[in-house]
Amino acid sequence: AQSVSQHNHHVILSEAASLELGCNYSYGGTVNLFWYVQYPGQHLQLLLKYFSGDPLVKGIKGFEAEFIKSKFSFNLRKPSVQWSDTAEYFCAAGAGGTSYGKLTFGQGTILTVHP
Amino acid sequence: EAGVAQSPRYKIIEKRQSVAFWCNPISGHATLYWYQQILGQGPKLLIQFQNNGVVDDSQLPKDRFSAERLKGVDSTLKIQPAKLEDSAVYLCASRGSADTQYFGPGTRLTVL
Repeated sequence: AQSVSQHNHHVILSEAASLELGCNYSYGGTVNLFWYVQYPGQHLQLLLKYFSGDPLVKGIKGFEAEFIKSKFSFNLRKPSVQWSDTAEYFCAAGAGGTSYGKLTFGQGTILTVHP
Repeated sequence: EAGVAQSPRYKIIEKRQSVAFWCNPISGHATLYWYQQILGQGPKLLIQFQNNGVVDDSQLPKDRFSAERLKGVDSTLKIQPAKLEDSAVYLCASRGSADTQYFGPGTRLTVL
């Protein structure tokens, strides 16, 4: 069965600290990977996505993620966080190829950034 | 481009009552999804439509949940009768030709 696991439930950082949020997936076959973010009071928004090609993908607001196939991982990184990055982050996986895009989500990681 | 619209944003009902949620996807998006997000968890797919046909409803509790997308555009999700454990945020998402889903603001349901 497909599954997505996020390592940390709550991460607390100070501004300018570096961020890495872990995500591991279990999926048979080709996989598409996503990071979504939910800012307080707002809806889920796409941060970045990986379908194929360069395993290092860059998203909005300075975020990036690296797909490591051998480790079944898709960790999210940002070199220097800001207070405005406070939000909940969700990793998601979907079958690649010609699927209709059903996504399996991780349980989410709450990021709190102190000014 | 207008996003995915959902209503109502909040709903409070007593257990055993019925409730309905509405979703209008992004114009032209053929695929529509309903997810349930329980507090502290990630969204879980309930049902997926391609135009007006159901693609996947394997995780929909069909004894109490139903959904339709009659004209292949907007969709309704109904719960009848509601249970306490149905308290959650119900998210609608739509997808066009690319493999990216766009989410609406959700409906927060509280069952008392």
